[in-house]
Amino acid sequence: NAGVTQTPKFRILKIGQSMTLQCTQDMNHNYMYWYRQDPGMGLKLIYYSVGAGITDKGEVPNGYNVSRSTTEDFPLRLELAAPSQTSVYFCASSLYNEQYFGPGTRLTVT
Amino acid sequence: GNSVTQMEGPVTLSEEAFLTINCTYTATGYPSLFWYVQYPGEGLQLLLKATKADDKGSNKGFEATYRKETTSFHLEKGSVQVSDSAVYFCALSDSTGDTDKLIFGTGTRLQVFP
Repeated sequence: NAGVTQTPKFRILKIGQSMTLQCTQDMNHNYMYWYRQDPGMGLKLIYYSVGAGITDKGEVPNGYNVSRSTTEDFPLRLELAAPSQTSVYFCASSLYNEQYFGPGTRLTVT
Repeated sequence: GNSVTQMEGPVTLSEEAFLTINCTYTATGYPSLFWYVQYPGEGLQLLLKATKADDKGSNKGFEATYRKETTSFHLEKGSVQVSDSAVYFCALSDSTGDTDKLIFGTGTRLQVFP
């Protein structure tokens, strides 16, 4: 039982490039979330999903897209990377209101 | 809207000292309250939680009591260890809408020295 896994661990992007951050959970949780964590700040919710085929915006969705074709996977897409998207990204899943987090992806946009 | 306020860090303590990290919240309704811990280079892990007023959450020697009258959920530990050095996040569950979204405080870094 691996829990929540994220790939890659680190990535450097040039401005304007695109990439997908992968997130997979093996706990059969319906709810999944993407957060970003900026230095010295708490986590901000980007997008969330309550089940396969259903996604919704969180607090800071601009510049990101998500999809949820299966219960297990919840990828986050950056289409046109900007320096403001330099951050650490965490994926989480939950059964009720207790969330389980992945190890994070550290993204730098230069 | 709902929000969480934590004390500024870093908190620096010697081993075996008493720890308090303050957390207060603003919320409508009756949210659940959480403390998460983040060790260096890792994701967040749930440390403890409380789901209603006067509940006490506890784990690994840490405790926090849900105080509705003071809208607080302060984290305490009687004797900290070097291995407790981490960032601690207070959070509440926002139950509006179709799922429980978490609202986090800004985190408090704890440094424990031998």
